[in-house]
Order: sequence, then C-alpha cells, then structure tokens
Amino acid sequence: KNQVEQSPQSLIILEGKNCTLQCNYTVSPFSNLRWYKQDTGRGPVSLTIMTFSENTKSNGRYTATLDADTKQSSLHITASQLSDSASYICVVNPLSGGYNKLIFGAGTRLAVHP
Amino acid sequence: DVKVTQSSRYLVKRTGEKVFLECVQDMDHENMFWYRQDPGLGLRLIYFSYDVKMKEKGDIPEGYSVSREKKERFSLILESASTNQTSMYLCASSPYRRAREGEKLFFGSGTQLSVL
Repeated sequence: KNQVEQSPQSLIILEGKNCTLQCNYTVSPFSNLRWYKQDTGRGPVSLTIMTFSENTKSNGRYTATLDADTKQSSLHITASQLSDSASYICVVNPLSGGYNKLIFGAGTRLAVHP
Repeated sequence: DVKVTQSSRYLVKRTGEKVFLECVQDMDHENMFWYRQDPGLGLRLIYFSYDVKMKEKGDIPEGYSVSREKKERFSLILESASTNQTSMYLCASSPYRRAREGEKLFFGSGTQLSVL
C-alpha cells in the first residue's frame, strides 16, 4: 500500500487559472513534508519544505498547506503559467529516518494550456 | 548553486551489457543517492552513500552495485543489464547525513536508460 498518494494523476488547466494538487499520506510520525517540481526530462527541484508543526509555506505563486490531523497536504498554484507544466511530487520524511527513508508519491502531471 | 551532473541524458544498451552511470556533485556534499523513476511509481532508492568508499543498500538494490572512490563522484553499475532495468535514473546529493529541517535534496537531470 502506498504511503503517499497523490491526486489527481494528471490535470489540464488554462493559463491564468488556479489549481490545487492533493497529497494524502499515512506516514506517522513524520519530520517534514516536501513538494518538488519536475520538468519533463529533468530532475526534481524543491518547491517547499514544511515541518509537521507548520500549516502553510509559500514560494512565489506556489503555496503548500499541511493538515496533520487529516494527514493531507495540498499544493496551490496561483495564476498558472505555461512554465508550470510539470510533474509535482509530494515527499514525506518519516521522523526516524534520514534521506534514505524518504517516501515519494507518484506525482501529479500538470499541463497548462494557452 | 549546487550542481549535480549526470554524464548521460540518454543511453541505449543491450541485454547483458555492463552499464556505468556516472554522477558528480560540486558542493562537497556528504550524501549521494541513486534512484530510479518509473511511470506511476514514486522514486525508489537503489543505493546511497554517506562517505567515500561507503555504500548502503536502498529499497531495490538487486541487479545494481555502486562505487564511491571520491567524495564528489558516485557511480551506479548495472552488472548485466536486463530489460526490466529500463528506467529513468536520478542521482541526488545532500549536505548532511540526516534530512534536517529546511534542507534540500539536490537532483541531477537524470539518465533515461533503455535496455533492448
């Protein structure tokens, strides 16, 4: 059973629109939750990192939220741009683990159309 | 900026060949990692290293080995490539042994390996 589930698998939106990507996790306890952006044919790049005690973290037009009670995180993209077309990956770091224990979601593939 | 460089973007190999994937980082990071990424699955850890000449198995080490002779270089070796090793391989590095708060994992651009 996947410990980090992302939805939707893929999403198409029009340029300028907002969107929200979801991440549900069962990992508990955890140290931090990360969102990465992966452009096609490139490696993932860190967008946000939130500790278990944080509720929200922003990076420009990207805002991540965390609800530890429901074990859900979301990534909200405001005023989308064509360059936002990418896969977005949710990653949970268990409390007891180092980097070798990171648990990756399968990602949401976002396409922004003009 | 941290730079993690993977030597090849695309590789095509034949079944049974020995394959070397090279990764170099330029920020004197302690930790280096090899992941594979397959459609519909999250990244899976193959091997990692916390120090020179040190290696530890990740979640899916079968069919792979690694070498870390110098701190900046971490090589992934497929001893005898098979078709089920066709995948995107990602190298990553990080400064410290534990994933500290606010600390990033830096990825290379990946190598898409096709085994025919």
